[in-house]
Amino acid sequence: DAGITQSPRHKVTETGTPVTLRCHQTENHRYMYWYRQDPGHGLRLIHYSYGVKDTDKGEVSDGYSVSRSKTEDFLLTLESATSSQTSVYFCAISVAGGSTTGELFFGEGSRLTVL
Amino acid sequence: TQLLEQSPQFLSIQEGENLTVYCNSSSVFSSLQWYRQEPGEGPVLLVTVVTGGEVKKLKRLTFQFGDARKDSSLHITAAQPGDTGLYLCATQTGANNLFFGTGTRLTVIP
Repeated sequence: DAGITQSPRHKVTETGTPVTLRCHQTENHRYMYWYRQDPGHGLRLIHYSYGVKDTDKGEVSDGYSVSRSKTEDFLLTLESATSSQTSVYFCAISVAGGSTTGELFFGEGSRLTVL
Repeated sequence: TQLLEQSPQFLSIQEGENLTVYCNSSSVFSSLQWYRQEPGEGPVLLVTVVTGGEVKKLKRLTFQFGDARKDSSLHITAAQPGDTGLYLCATQTGANNLFFGTGTRLTVIP
């Protein structure tokens, strides 16, 4: 158990509203990631963080922003949600501090529905 | 074209049967990971293979990395209902991205 908690676990919102998903870890790992999972696409990286205030874009970053003001929390924000952002969002951490093999431990996911 | 092609996409078998799922690519990988994801949960790492030709066993699961490090297979012996889930292969692309295949969804019928 890598001590990852995501919140909320489920959310339904309307198009155009802002949404923030939170990922909390208890073990002080440096690298944290946000992925989205959609049928036919697998898991795709949105943004990742390699330390407090250090973040970078992933494969599908358009429409998303992130913040990491302290080690344990990594926030994903949809400034103005769209229906194409309906998905299941997973937070992950690399317990080896970004090892060359990139092994990840995932949270339980946050299911977001944008109407 | 996906970097990682997984096949079959869906597989439904009876308890006790054997099965093999595949992860293929035209690219050479430094390493490859296999994850299993159960409904409503996040993926869980099963194994990492690093060396061409490497075989790793995890109870009834056997993982093999191709000699050329372009493909991998997962063989399950005597499948059980608890093996039901989405099996994902993944490889590192760049310094900080793990790229996932679209997975094989396995159902083991009691």
